Amino acid sequence: GENVEQHPSTLSVQEGDSAVIKCTYSDSASNYFPWYKQELGKRPQLIIDIRSNVGEKKDQRIAVTLNKTAKHFSLHITETQPEDSAVYFCAASLYNFNKFYFGSGTKLNVKP
Amino acid sequence: NAGVTQTPKFQVLKTGQSMTLQCAQDMNHEYMSWYRQDPGMGLRLIHYSVGAGITDQGEVPNGYNVSRSTTEDFPLRLLSAAPSQTSVYFCASSDLGQGTDTQYFGPGTRLTVL
Repeated sequence: GENVEQHPSTLSVQEGDSAVIKCTYSDSASNYFPWYKQELGKRPQLIIDIRSNVGEKKDQRIAVTLNKTAKHFSLHITETQPEDSAVYFCAASLYNFNKFYFGSGTKLNVKP
Repeated sequence: NAGVTQTPKFQVLKTGQSMTLQCAQDMNHEYMSWYRQDPGMGLRLIHYSVGAGITDQGEVPNGYNVSRSTTEDFPLRLLSAAPSQTSVYFCASSDLGQGTDTQYFGPGTRLTVL
């Protein structure tokens, strides 16, 4: 099956700085890559996703990039704010197959 | 529109007891799944279903059973609880083949097995 690795496990940045979280996947057939944000005690919520026919996608302060050849994808958060503090998970799946494999998570701490 | 609901929110079991975690969704989603979340290990897929009457195993299915008699409900059964099953359990649902794979998660059930 698919194996998704996520780095770093913890990330501390100053408010206003950028944060980058990286994931690699093993199955070249995977073609859908969502990112989830989970606040303490809450459920994971989708923040952005990308399909394998796209190299980059942006939504305001967040962006995701995908390198299919290297089998890695990254989440970029610019102008970080304290409310961005949470655990972020990447995932990989085969579109329309809906079997998701998650990374182990990155705890992001944005210091005011 | 309640989305994905789960009951109970918290549960404490003794080793060997059985119980059922309930999950329901009102979005008419074909796909439903169960995950467990353990510290430092992300979310791991237990079982999933692509429609009523169809279920399949995920990464960590041992010790759990599921059934899908209706589109709305997808209960997870622990047959004989073990301390290793102490975890937070999330149910999720999504459309299949509708142009989106967005998974909507329930609020979770925190299970402790003594």
